[in-house]
Order: sequence, then structure tokens, then C-alpha cells
Amino acid sequence: DVKVTQSSRYLVKRTGEKVFLECVQDMDHENMFWYRQDPGLGLRLIYFSYDVKMKEKGDIPEGYSVSREKKERFSLILESASTNQTSMYLCASSSRYTEAFFGQGTRLTVV
Amino acid sequence: AQSVAQPEDQVNVAEGNPLTVKCTYSVSGNPYLFWYVQYPNRGLQFLLKYITGDNLVKGSYGFEAEFNKSQTSFHLKKPSALVSDSALYFCAVRDDNYGQNFVFGPGTRLSALP
Repeated sequence: DVKVTQSSRYLVKRTGEKVFLECVQDMDHENMFWYRQDPGLGLRLIYFSYDVKMKEKGDIPEGYSVSREKKERFSLILESASTNQTSMYLCASSSRYTEAFFGQGTRLTVV
Repeated sequence: AQSVAQPEDQVNVAEGNPLTVKCTYSVSGNPYLFWYVQYPNRGLQFLLKYITGDNLVKGSYGFEAEFNKSQTSFHLKKPSALVSDSALYFCAVRDDNYGQNFVFGPGTRLSALP
């Protein structure tokens, strides 16, 4: 059974903390994505990566960075968490002709 | 640029009746089209996709969708709704002219009532 696994389902962090969200896929997919989901706004792309050590900005990269040191792992980093980054974060992976496979999501609350 | 519209925020349907969730898209090249479903506090689950071939695509849980190139639409349908179909539905498109990204619509909340 193919899987995308996110390290946490729920996370509570304080303003100003550095936050790491980890995502691992076991399908040998070249593409990996980070989205955030907010009510009424749908899914917005933060960053994506189409190869190891490669990254591209999505629609809302401000306040975020990413790391992809290995093909199976794509990390999202909030350098200094703020309350407006409270959201649901979704990781996904895909290959060229496949659909996107999603993790279970991480609900992050910044207080 | 690629974009997806889901014109209805909310769709209500009685259990046992047919359901339709609408999706229209805009791409410059050939579209790859997808439908996903999301239950509360969960990730997105894949339902079906159109890449090429037959315009009528059948997917999971009895859902199907019809690709209409002239109307740039990809509406999701099911002949008989179940209460358990109540969820948030997302349409997505990928345009190979713009690489490997997926663009998602805003989502449509389906309520199937007993």
C-alpha cells in the first residue's frame, strides 16, 4: 500500500519558534509538494520539489523554507512561526503521469 | 496559466438521488484532471483521473466523471448518493506546459441527507 507519511497529526507551537514538518513517501516519486489549506481558500501551494536538492516556490512561499536531501523526504520549515501560519498543512508526492498522493495532514496551531 | 473553478460552495442532495459536483478548468496545453475527496481533519483521497482516452472515467466508491473538452468541464457524478458521501470535494488540473504542479479548485462541500 503506497504511503505518504507526515510526522505529526497535531502540533502546537509558540510564536517565534522554529518549526519542522516532515514528510516521507515510499513510492520513489520524483515530485513532492507542500500545501496549506484554509477554510474558503482551498489548497495553496507553498513549495514543491521535482528532484533531490531542487526546490521551487509556489504561490505563498513567504515565511517558509524547504529541504530535500533525500528523494523520499521533503521537509517544510517555519523559520519563526507566527499566528497567521496556523493552518492545515498537507504534503503530497507524485510521478509524471500519476495523481498526487497525500499524507494525512498536520494541523498546526501557533499560539 | 492553469486554473480550476468549482462554481458551487455547497451541494445538497437527498440520499438515493443522483449527485453532480461541477468543475471547469483552464489550461494552455492538454489537461490532466483529477477529483479528490476530503473527510474532516484528514488528507485528500484520490477518486479518479482523466489523462487520455475515454471521456467517461469511472473511479472509486461508484463515482464517475465526464471530460468535456469543448466546455472545458470535468463534472463529478454518482447515480445514487449515500449519507457517507458527505465530504469536501476538490477538482484539480495539471498542465504539462507548466510542469508537474497540480492546481486545485476551492472545493465543494457535499451534504447527502437521509
